[in-house]
Amino acid sequence: AQSVTQLDSQVPVFEEAPVELRCNYSSSVSVYLFWYVQYPNQGLQLLLKYLSGSTLVESINGFEAEFNKSQTSFHLRKPSVHISDTAEYFCAVSDLRAQKLVFGQGTRLTINP
Amino acid sequence: DSGVTQTPKHLITATGQRVTLRCSPRSGDLSVYWYQQSLDQGLQFLIQYYNGEERAKGNILERFSAQQFPDLHSELNLSSLELGDSALYFCASSVEGNLYNEQFFGPGTRLTVL
Repeated sequence: AQSVTQLDSQVPVFEEAPVELRCNYSSSVSVYLFWYVQYPNQGLQLLLKYLSGSTLVESINGFEAEFNKSQTSFHLRKPSVHISDTAEYFCAVSDLRAQKLVFGQGTRLTINP
Repeated sequence: DSGVTQTPKHLITATGQRVTLRCSPRSGDLSVYWYQQSLDQGLQFLIQYYNGEERAKGNILERFSAQQFPDLHSELNLSSLELGDSALYFCASSVEGNLYNEQFFGPGTRLTVL
């Protein structure tokens, strides 16, 4: 079965600093990979996804993630964060056999001014 | 606003009771997913319905059940409630039941069992 590990439960950074949120997955078959963001008191929103093709995927608000098959990773990066990026970020992998998304435990990103 | 609505927003009840959570998917979406989010378990997939039929089952307890109606709205029934059932319950919908389709999440129902 697929599993997802988000290596950091909390990541504090200063505003305008770069950030990387780490995600590793385990799977023996082809996967679809996702990053979701949950702003305070809201539901989850899709940030970006990898289905196939280019291994670097980007979101509209400056985040990007790179699919690395050899390292089974899908880390999320942003070169310069803003206060509004404060949220919890969830990495997810598709479990095609069980027909479900498997989510990581989440990483809480806090931005300090 | 994702277009997915959930009611009620908050629910406070006692152990042993039964509650029903309701979800209306985005217009045109045939698939509905239910998730439970708690501090100790994280975000757990419970169950998926596609066009009225159960499509996939996750970590759903036997005390919990769900259904999707002909108008595509869905209800999650939780019975014999325990303290540990206190959590945020999310509904999500997608156009089809395939995993590469984006799932749109509702705002959630916060259930507190006292």
